[in-house]
Formats: sequence, C-alpha cells, structure tokens
Amino acid sequence: GAGVSQSPRYKVAKRGQDVALRCDPISGHVSLFWYQQALGQGPEFLTYFQNEAQLDKSGLPSDRFFAERPEGSVSTLKIQRTQQEDSAVYLCASSTQQGTYEQYFGPGTRLTVT
Amino acid sequence: QQPVQSPQAVILREGEDAVINCSSSKALYSVHWYRQKHGEAPVFLMILLKGGEQKGHDKISASFNEKKQQSSLYLTASQLSYSGTYFCGTEPGSDSWGKLQFGAGTQVVVTP
Repeated sequence: GAGVSQSPRYKVAKRGQDVALRCDPISGHVSLFWYQQALGQGPEFLTYFQNEAQLDKSGLPSDRFFAERPEGSVSTLKIQRTQQEDSAVYLCASSTQQGTYEQYFGPGTRLTVT
Repeated sequence: QQPVQSPQAVILREGEDAVINCSSSKALYSVHWYRQKHGEAPVFLMILLKGGEQKGHDKISASFNEKKQQSSLYLTASQLSYSGTYFCGTEPGSDSWGKLQFGAGTQVVVTP
C-alpha cells in the first residue's frame, strides 16, 4: 500500500523566501507529526495533529513556522522568511491512532536556505 | 530533554553482535526504536512499553528497564542489511500523544 509521501523532496530557497512543504499521510491515519532533522542528528519534534486539530506545537522554533491540516488528511508546513538555520530535512510521520503507536515516516523534504 | 545513545558508531563484521544503549534522565513510558539508511525515511523496528518488557524483530531484540530509565537494542548475528543509523525515541508519559524525543543516533556499519 502507499506510504507517507512528501513533496517536494528537495527545496532550495533564498534567505527571506517563504516555503511550503506538503505531507500526504497514510489514508485513514488519525495522527500526524512533523519533525526537523539536522545533519547527523535525530529527528526533533515540531508539531502534532489529531485529525484536523493541532494538539501540540511546542516544538516549532519560531513564529515563522506554521502548520495546518485543514481536512484531517494532507498537512502543510509553512516557513516564512526562511533563514539559514532552517536548513534541514523535514520529516512527516503518521500513525493510526492517538497515543503510543508505530509512526510511519515519509522520505522527508531536504530544505537548503542559501 | 533528548535521550543519550551510546556508542556513537560501531563497525561490525557480518555475523557479529552489537548492543546499542539509550538512556534518559527522565522517567519513561515507552521507548521506540527506528533504523534509518542514508537519505531514506526512518523505519520502525519496535516499541517497548513501561513494564520492563523485551521484544524481538528477527534477530534484533530490545529490552527496557524503566527503573534505570534505559533501553538496549541487541543486534545478533548481524547482516549487511543491518547497516544504518539507529535511533531511540522516548515518550515520557502516556499522555504525551506519541510525541517522541529522539537520541542523536548510533551509526552501524556491517562489513562482509
């Protein structure tokens, strides 16, 4: 079956540009997570959705980061006025239910800010 | 606060065993293990819940000692396909919504 997909896979942005990263979770998965992974590091939690509700956004680094999941399926992570420190791989993961369940990760979007 | 993994890297010959440790300074509800190959998505291996259980996935098994707030992943009779970076993800409470805190990873290289 189809897994989690993310687009674009690679994005180069000039400093100050806005970017939008898309995540298509596995169909029917209730929970959706966004993580940021710096080179050589583990994924770092950004935000979590249960259906369309954003239940936790404590990991978003600044108010330039915004995530939405308006219909409870596809999610978009938007970064405004990108900075060099935003360069990283952005991973999306989905899970069947709320709580402690296996998370299925997408391949990520590698964002490079020049 | 993210968990601490050790060692940072390990090189094995095919067929050898290895242990990867994951320690937390906070009480844990669960520990999740993932393997990530270069440029690919992390792939789920197993979840261990509070209760000191041990689980296995083929020749990869893990234990969780909640009193010591640590988990260990055991690679037995390693295969070339075991190469990759292993991450533990910890969950401090049952109400933490699956919000995982990942360690920095352990790079495993299995050579022929």
